[in-house]
Amino acid sequence: AQSVTQLGSHVSVSEGALVLLRCNYSSSVPPYLFWYVQYPNQGLQLLLKYTSAATLVKGINGFEAEFKKSETSFHLTKPSAHMSDAAEYFCAVTPGGATNKLIFGTGTLLAVQP
Amino acid sequence: GAVVSQHPSRVICKSGTSVKIECRSLDFQATTMFWYRQFPKKSLMLMATSNEGSKATYEQGVEKDKFLINHASLTLSTLTVTSAHPEDSSFYICSARDLQRNTGELFFGEGSRLTVL
Repeated sequence: AQSVTQLGSHVSVSEGALVLLRCNYSSSVPPYLFWYVQYPNQGLQLLLKYTSAATLVKGINGFEAEFKKSETSFHLTKPSAHMSDAAEYFCAVTPGGATNKLIFGTGTLLAVQP
Repeated sequence: GAVVSQHPSRVICKSGTSVKIECRSLDFQATTMFWYRQFPKKSLMLMATSNEGSKATYEQGVEKDKFLINHASLTLSTLTVTSAHPEDSSFYICSARDLQRNTGELFFGEGSRLTVL
C-alpha cells in the first residue's frame, strides 16, 4: 500500500530564508510523486511532479524537489521564501500509471514572517 | 494545464435536504474522476472514484447511499449529498486526469464548501 508522511504540520520561516518541507513515502512499486499547494478556500495547484525521469525536479514559483529512493524521500525546497509562498503544501503519491488514485499526506502549513 | 471546474463554489442548505455538486473537465475527457473531502486543517480524504458509465468505487467508511456519485458523461461527474446533516459540512474537491497526457497528474477543481445548518 502507498502512504505519505509529512513531517511538521506547521513550518515558519523568515522572508528570504530557505524553505524545506519534508515528505517521506511508502510504495511497493515505483511511485509517481507530487507536491501540491493550496491557498485558503481554493483547490489544489500542482507545484511539481516526479514520474521516474530526472530525480531533481523543478517546479513553479522557484520550488524544487529531489527524489531519493534510498531515503524514500521527496522533500520540497525553495532557496528564498516570499510572503506569497504562505499556504498549505501537500505531498502525494500514486503507483505508476494513469488511473491510480492519489494518496495525500497530512499537509504542511507554511508561514512566512516579514 | 487541463481545467477542472466545480459548481457551486459555496452552498448553504438546511439539515435534511440534498445538495448536488458538479465537476466538469473543461478541455479534456475524463473516464475517471476522484472526489475528495477536506476537513478544516486536515488533509484530503479520498471518498470515491467516479467511473464514466459505471458505478463509483467508494473508499472504506464512506456511505454510498449518503454520497451519491454519477458520472454520466466523459466531462461531468456529480456528487449528491443526500439528507445532509451538519456533520457533512466540509470542503469537497473533485479531480481528474487527462489520460492523453499520461503524466499521472491530477487536475483539481476549485472546491465546493458545503455548510449544513
